[in-house]
Formats: sequence, structure tokens, C-alpha cells
Amino acid sequence: GAVVSQHPSRVICKSGTSVKIECRSLDFQATTMFWYRQFPKQSLMLMATSNEGSKATYEQGVEKDKFLINHASLTLSTLTVTSAHPEDSSFYICSARESWSNQPQHFGDGTRLSIL
Amino acid sequence: AQSVSQHNHHVILSEAASLELGCNYSYGGTVNLFWYVQYPGQHLQLLLKYFSGDPLVKGIKGFEAEFIKSKFSFNLRKPSVQWSDTAEYFCAVTARRGNTGFQKLVFGTGTRLLVSP
Repeated sequence: GAVVSQHPSRVICKSGTSVKIECRSLDFQATTMFWYRQFPKQSLMLMATSNEGSKATYEQGVEKDKFLINHASLTLSTLTVTSAHPEDSSFYICSARESWSNQPQHFGDGTRLSIL
Repeated sequence: AQSVSQHNHHVILSEAASLELGCNYSYGGTVNLFWYVQYPGQHLQLLLKYFSGDPLVKGIKGFEAEFIKSKFSFNLRKPSVQWSDTAEYFCAVTARRGNTGFQKLVFGTGTRLLVSP
């Protein structure tokens, strides 16, 4: 089946640090990748949608200068949390989808980000 | 905006009991419906999906779900649960918007299922 690899699985760093999270589709080409954020006991909230080779589309309320997304190839998207602060601590999950818009998304294992 | 409601936040069952998890959505147009499962320490996995056709959908591991359009529901069922079904279950919906295809996937808040042996 389709596999999405997300790295790192856990990050602990000091306030003010920038953190990069990678999302790779291992056995398929991901035309579209999605970045979600999940707060404790809440559902996944979509942050942004990225299509290969174009700028990401951010959801309302998500700061694009704070959460930089790059989708330079059909198998890799990165999310960089710039100048992270404690309120950015959360569980970040990526997913990837092949070409057709009604295909299911395949999810990575998530990254637990803790900012001290 | 579309939304998804899962009314059961926590469900505890004994092995061999029957399971039904509720999912309701708020959108009147064409939808695609999904159930995802997240086992402890693992990533979200697709359990089953409905795009069109037979409203009774069979998924993996003996799960099924029924799309009832008039009730805006897509409840998940399993006749006899096992201890290994202990996991968190998420219902998700994506809605078609004109010629632009389907909108983003919207998730419910999840139902945590605990099956006791």
C-alpha cells in the first residue's frame, strides 16, 4: 500500500528555533500534500494544501510566514515552523494524495513538536 | 462550511460485542465519505470509503458503513469486535464544489474505542 514517511517523529527545542518537518511519499507520486495540526483530544485541523511546484494554499487563520511549506518534488514536502514558540507545540501530521482529487489521502506518522 | 460530528467520544465494549459508531455531516451536495482508524502508536489508516453506488460499504477487518443520505449519516459498524480493534476512529468528509473538484477533507473529533478481552 501507499506509504508516507514523516520525519522527525519528535522534536524538542528552545523557543525561537526554526524546525523543519519532512513528508515523503515512498512508493507513489504525490501531486498534493496536506499538513494538519492536531491538538489534544481534538480533531485534525487542516493547515495548508500544497501542490507540487506551486505555492501552498493556507487555511484561514494559519500564518504563512510562520509555517513555511515547500513542495519541490512529487515525493517531498516540507513544513518549517519559523521562530517557534511554546504555543506552536502540537502534533503535526502530513498526508499525501495521488493525482485525482477524490482519491484517499495517505497519512504520515506525525511529528510531536515541543517548544520549551 | 461543512462539518462532521462524531457523538461518541469514548466507547468501551467487551470482545464479541457489536459496534456502531455514529457520524453525521452537514453538507447537502455530493460528498465523499471516509472512516480512518488510528491504532495506538500508528498513523491514520483508511478503513473504508464511499464515493458513489451501493450505500453499504465494506471495509477492511470486517468493518462496514452505511451512507444514509436523508439522515446525512455514515455510521460505522462491526458485528463482533476484537481486542485488536482498540483504536481511535475518525470519520471524514469531503464535498464537491462545482467544477473545482472536491474540497478539503474535514474530520470529526474521533471516537476512542476500547475493547476489553
